[in-house]
Amino acid sequence: EDQVTQSPEALRLQEGESSSLNCSYTVSGLRGLFWYRQDPGKGPEFLFTLYSAGEEKEKERLKATLTKKESFLHITAPKPEDSATYLCAVQAFRGGATNKLIFGTGTLLAVQP
Amino acid sequence: DTEVTQTPKHLVMGMTNKKSLKCEQHMGHRAMYWYKQKAKKPPELMFVYSYEKLSINESVPSRFSPECPNSSLLNLHLHALQPEDSALYLCASSHRTGSNYGYTFGSGTRLTVV
Repeated sequence: EDQVTQSPEALRLQEGESSSLNCSYTVSGLRGLFWYRQDPGKGPEFLFTLYSAGEEKEKERLKATLTKKESFLHITAPKPEDSATYLCAVQAFRGGATNKLIFGTGTLLAVQP
Repeated sequence: DTEVTQTPKHLVMGMTNKKSLKCEQHMGHRAMYWYKQKAKKPPELMFVYSYEKLSINESVPSRFSPECPNSSLLNLHLHALQPEDSALYLCASSHRTGSNYGYTFGSGTRLTVV
C-alpha cells in the first residue's frame, strides 16, 4: 500500500538554528515528490518537485533532497516567518494518464525569535 | 494569472441547506481537483476532473456532487451535509493529471455545518 510518513510531527527551533524535516515513502510507480508549505487556514503553497534520486533543489533558506526511499527538507538559519506546516506529497502512477497525489501528515514548524 | 480562486472563503450551512463551492483558474490547466482537509490532517482527495470529465471519485458520499462546466471552472454542490463534513475544502489544478508539474492550490473554503 502506498504510504507517506513525515517526521517529526512538530519541531520548535530558535531563529538561526538549522534543522531537517524527513519524508519517507513507499509507493509503486513514483512520478514525483512534492514539498508544500501551508499556513493556518490557507491552501498549500508549492515549494519543490523532485523526480529522481540524487536530485536537489534550493529556494532561499530551504533545500530539498531525494533518495530512493526518502526526502529531506533542510532549513538553514530559519526565521520566524518560516513557521508553517510543511507537507510532503508523492504522485503515484495509476494507469493511463491518471495520477494521484498522496500527502503525508505534515511537520508543524515553529521558529522562535 | 497563476492563481486558483475559491469562493466563498467561509460558509456556514444547516443540514437541510443546499449550497455550492466554486473554483476558478485561468492557467490553462486541464486537470482540477477537490480535496477535503480536517484540522491538523493532510488534504484528502475527493474528486479529479481531467479535460472536464470526472476521472476519479474517491468513494465520496453522494451529498457531495462535483461539476466541471468548462475548463476554467469547478463546482462542488453540497446537499444534506452532516456536522462531520465541516472542514477546509481545497481546489487545485495542474496541467493534466499525468503531469509531473506542481499542483496549484486555492486558499480553500472553510465550511461549517450546523
